Amino acid sequence: DGGITQSPKYLFRKEGQNVTLSCEQNLNHDAMYWYRQDPGQGLRLIYYSQIVNDFQKGDIAEGYSVSREKKESFPLTVTSAQKNPTAFYLCASSIWGTDTQYFGPGTRLTVL
Amino acid sequence: AQTVTQSQPEMSVQEAETVTLSCTYDTSENNYYLFWYKQPPSRQMILVIRQEAYKQQNATENRFSVNFQKAAKSFSLKISDSQLGDTAMYFCAYNTDKLIFGTGTRLQVFP
Repeated sequence: DGGITQSPKYLFRKEGQNVTLSCEQNLNHDAMYWYRQDPGQGLRLIYYSQIVNDFQKGDIAEGYSVSREKKESFPLTVTSAQKNPTAFYLCASSIWGTDTQYFGPGTRLTVL
Repeated sequence: AQTVTQSQPEMSVQEAETVTLSCTYDTSENNYYLFWYKQPPSRQMILVIRQEAYKQQNATENRFSVNFQKAAKSFSLKISDSQLGDTAMYFCAYNTDKLIFGTGTRLQVFP
């Protein structure tokens, strides 16, 4: 079954801790993206990656980091420098050069 | 700056009726793509419909159709024969090199 998986579905973190959100796809897509969604708002782009070992900052990259060691995987680390990390995080992928992005089921991160 | 505006925070419709969700956008580009995504209570973003700006013909997917007015920079979504499963947040989005989302319209379908 082709698709995008994100884990965990719910994540709790204490203040001052780093936490990593997983995103995996088996669609053979080149590009992968991370978005943040806050209540009453649309999605905002955190980071994106067009190819392995390369990634670019989106609109709200501060306090986040990513890696792209494999085509299938694009993990997002929320660092202690992110001042307001509680949000819903969505991963997406696409064939680079095409316009349509497909989304995973999301991870809800709550900082206690 | 590229922006997407959805002026209706909430809408409601009775089952089997038709509803139209509004979206306007601002861009200086000539070639771009427009999308409507649906986010049900599960919160997964699901692609509903896609429109290429260079195509004059309005896109249609089963009960979903758009009214694309390029000069007016308007991209509304019409849902015909509304079903209870259509209850969700609907996001309009614009894409040239990245996706830009509106703030969404919450649609409630009543029996």
